[in-house]
Amino acid sequence: DGGITQSPKYLFRKEGQNVTLSCEQNLNHDAMYWYRQDPGQGLRLIYYSQIVNDFQKGDIAEGYSVSREKKESFPLTVTSAQKNPTAFYLCASSAARGRREKLFFGSGTQLSVL
Amino acid sequence: DAKTTQPPSMDCAEGRAANLPCNHSTISGNEYVYWYRQIHSQGPQYIIHGLKNNETNEMASLIITEDRKSSTLILPHATLRDTAVYYCIVRVATNAGNMLTFGGGTRLMVKP
Repeated sequence: DGGITQSPKYLFRKEGQNVTLSCEQNLNHDAMYWYRQDPGQGLRLIYYSQIVNDFQKGDIAEGYSVSREKKESFPLTVTSAQKNPTAFYLCASSAARGRREKLFFGSGTQLSVL
Repeated sequence: DAKTTQPPSMDCAEGRAANLPCNHSTISGNEYVYWYRQIHSQGPQYIIHGLKNNETNEMASLIITEDRKSSTLILPHATLRDTAVYYCIVRVATNAGNMLTFGGGTRLMVKP
């Protein structure tokens, strides 16, 4: 089945540790996105990428980093600079750069700090 | 940037129509309105989108006012499975591409 796969489902981070969340899509989509969701809140955009080897900061990029070396992959690293990393992280993709394409979401990764 | 405003919560009786409003008074002429919904701890699911005409699909109908400053998502016969958070979003075009910014959404509770 075509779709977006996020792994792991649950992830725990120790103080001062960097962790990487995986996002893979087999939809042949050009654009990929990372969102953060806190309990009872909406989604906030961390980073987005419209094409391979290019990405842009969203509204809350501080303490996060991304790479887009392959079209199908857009991993997110939560660095030790992110002081409040506990949240639900969602990856999404869309087909093109126009204003009409819809987003497809993964099932999310819940990150918690030990 | 175009922003959206939605009521934080709504209730609806099972089998009745659920009408979810959204205000987007700063929307630009070529920006689409999207609706997504999110069931607890899952990724959001696309429902419908539109520009200026009313739209209907197998999930819902979207009514956009003539001035495009507001819209209403209609679930014609709500079921218990429609209980979710519903997000109204306007796509924002930037020099680097398009961002899709989510607000707080409306928590719809469908009751038996």
